[in-house]
Amino acid sequence: TAGITQAPTSQILAAGRSMTLRCTQDMRHNAMYWYRQDLGLGLRLIHYSNTAGTTGKGEVPDGYSVSRANTDDFPLTLASAVPSQTSVYFCASSDSRLGYTFGSGTRLTVV
Amino acid sequence: SQQGEEDPQALSIQEGENATMNCSYKTSINNLQWYRQNSGRGLVHLILIRSNEREKHSGRLRVTLDTSKKSSSLLITASRAADTASYFCATDEGYGQNFVFGPGTRLSVLP
Repeated sequence: TAGITQAPTSQILAAGRSMTLRCTQDMRHNAMYWYRQDLGLGLRLIHYSNTAGTTGKGEVPDGYSVSRANTDDFPLTLASAVPSQTSVYFCASSDSRLGYTFGSGTRLTVV
Repeated sequence: SQQGEEDPQALSIQEGENATMNCSYKTSINNLQWYRQNSGRGLVHLILIRSNEREKHSGRLRVTLDTSKKSSSLLITASRAADTASYFCATDEGYGQNFVFGPGTRLSVLP
């Protein structure tokens, strides 16, 4: 089934450790996004990439980095995790302004 | 910064009734989208309405857009228990391909 695959589905991470959340799409969409979802705050954009080789900062980029080496993959890295990064992370993609396709999310708990 | 703001935050109705959710935004937009999120899942795109459109239908969904009031509404007719979910509006910022999501409306449809 075409779509977005996120891994892992959940993770408990010790504060100070690093982690990479994986996101892969098979729709050849140009644009990809990382959001975090926190109760009462909706979805907030962390980083985005309009096309392979380019990335940009969203609303809440601090503490996160991304890369876009090719069209399909858009990993999100936490270099040194802090408890405030406990959240549900969603990857999404779009080939135009007609709507996003979302992954199923990664639930991250930083302790 | 959040562009779309949904109202109400939570809504409970009986099966068969209609559900109306509203979204307000602050600046001019090109497009507005509505998404559904079932508990623990990713967001699913429901419908997109462009700034030059006033109403759009998709099955039991009806979306209206009033650019003069900077508001949109999502109507779900003849609701079902399976419609229980959170509903989000998302607006574009007029540049790039990034949409900003509101905090969502939690809809509960009681059997």
